[in-house]
Amino acid sequence: EAGVAQSPRYKIIEKRQSVAFWCNPISGHATLYWYQQILGQGPKLLIQFQNNGVVDDSQLPKDRFSAERLKGVDSTLKIQPAKLEDSAVYLCASGRANEQYFGPGTRLTVT
Amino acid sequence: AQSVTQLGSHVSVSEGALVLLRCNYSSSVPPYLFWYVQYPNQGLQLLLKYTSAATLVKGINDFEAEFKKSETSFHLTKPSAHMSDAAEYFCAVSEGGNTPLVFGKGTRLSVIA
Repeated sequence: EAGVAQSPRYKIIEKRQSVAFWCNPISGHATLYWYQQILGQGPKLLIQFQNNGVVDDSQLPKDRFSAERLKGVDSTLKIQPAKLEDSAVYLCASGRANEQYFGPGTRLTVT
Repeated sequence: AQSVTQLGSHVSVSEGALVLLRCNYSSSVPPYLFWYVQYPNQGLQLLLKYTSAATLVKGINDFEAEFKKSETSFHLTKPSAHMSDAAEYFCAVSEGGNTPLVFGKGTRLSVIA
């Protein structure tokens, strides 16, 4: 089966600009996660979806970050406006049965 | 709340030597434990997982880990390191089901020829 797809793989923007990331999970996986991985740290959950509903967004900086999962399949994560500290790798994962499968990530650099 | 502590941000071993990466966890419920590997510019790949069955878990590429409840540990081992094992390794804990993973800070493994 195809893995989790993410795009773009790399993005460089200036602070205060906006950016969007896209994720296509493994077919049939109802649960989708977005994690933020800052250099030198482990990934941290930003938001979790079950189908197209939000399960947990307690760690999402809602003043600048937003995410949606239309029709319970693809998801987009948006940052507006970006700050320097948003420089990180954004990982999307989908899961079932006590396992999560990760995409390759989007590396964001904010200058 | 759950948490993971990985002892040693960087471990260096010689090719053919034993690999030991340490992970201790904290959880108020029976934990589900995972080890992931991350190669440069790639996502996370699952090495192995503990889900309350056998305490000694075998994974891919000859890695294994032992769940020790009394020590709240889930250390990762491999008998003989290969150059291709050089990567970042993450230990993670969850409450099972579709609950999110809580990761440690990672340990970078270097393998010296």
